[in-house]
Amino acid sequence: QQQVKQSPQSLIVQKGGISIINCAYENTAFDYFPWYQQFPGKGPALLIAIRPDVSEKKEGRFTISFNKSAKQFSLHIMDSQPGDSATYFCAAGWRGKLIFGQGTELSVKP
Amino acid sequence: NAGVTQTPKFQVLKTGQSMTLQCAQDMNHEYMSWYRQDPGMGLRLIHYSVGAGITDQGEVPNGYNVSRSTTEDFPLRLLSAAPSQTSVYFCASSPTGAQPQHFGDGTRLSIL
Repeated sequence: QQQVKQSPQSLIVQKGGISIINCAYENTAFDYFPWYQQFPGKGPALLIAIRPDVSEKKEGRFTISFNKSAKQFSLHIMDSQPGDSATYFCAAGWRGKLIFGQGTELSVKP
Repeated sequence: NAGVTQTPKFQVLKTGQSMTLQCAQDMNHEYMSWYRQDPGMGLRLIHYSVGAGITDQGEVPNGYNVSRSTTEDFPLRLLSAAPSQTSVYFCASSPTGAQPQHFGDGTRLSIL
């Protein structure tokens, strides 16, 4: 199975709060897991990525948590800001191919 | 350094017409891919290439052709446009198959 399931579809968070987006996958052949941020009218931009031999990766306010046995990974955005309002996609990669989740529309209220 | 460049940015076609969406990258990346993005469905892989002369199908290849004659260019051809192909098309590239991809800004295609 090549599906990647992402939740929630939409998320509203207050400024300064923590945004959490979850993804699950089935295919154990996937060997890297990136997160992308997309603003209206633009292409997806790489935010952060992790490999399955690492359980957590942090870059600034963004953290990926990875649970290999559960086949789940999540994005945490700490101290969320109105400028973080965008659509976020998780993905799973294998041999140059990316399978994307359905996307989460994040809105950070001031 | 332009990254991944897609042309045109917008296009309107009539059903049955053919056209080519252009994609070029200047990062000497071996891997290139085409995705389509539809509301509520994320991005779906159409075709991809692991190097010049080598292409393969993705999740939704029907109605599209690709070729890769150079490392820099990876055009996507619609053979006979159908309304179901109305979408936003993104091209992406990466240095290897195990590294995240860099995306262009897309071509917005409407088929009437």
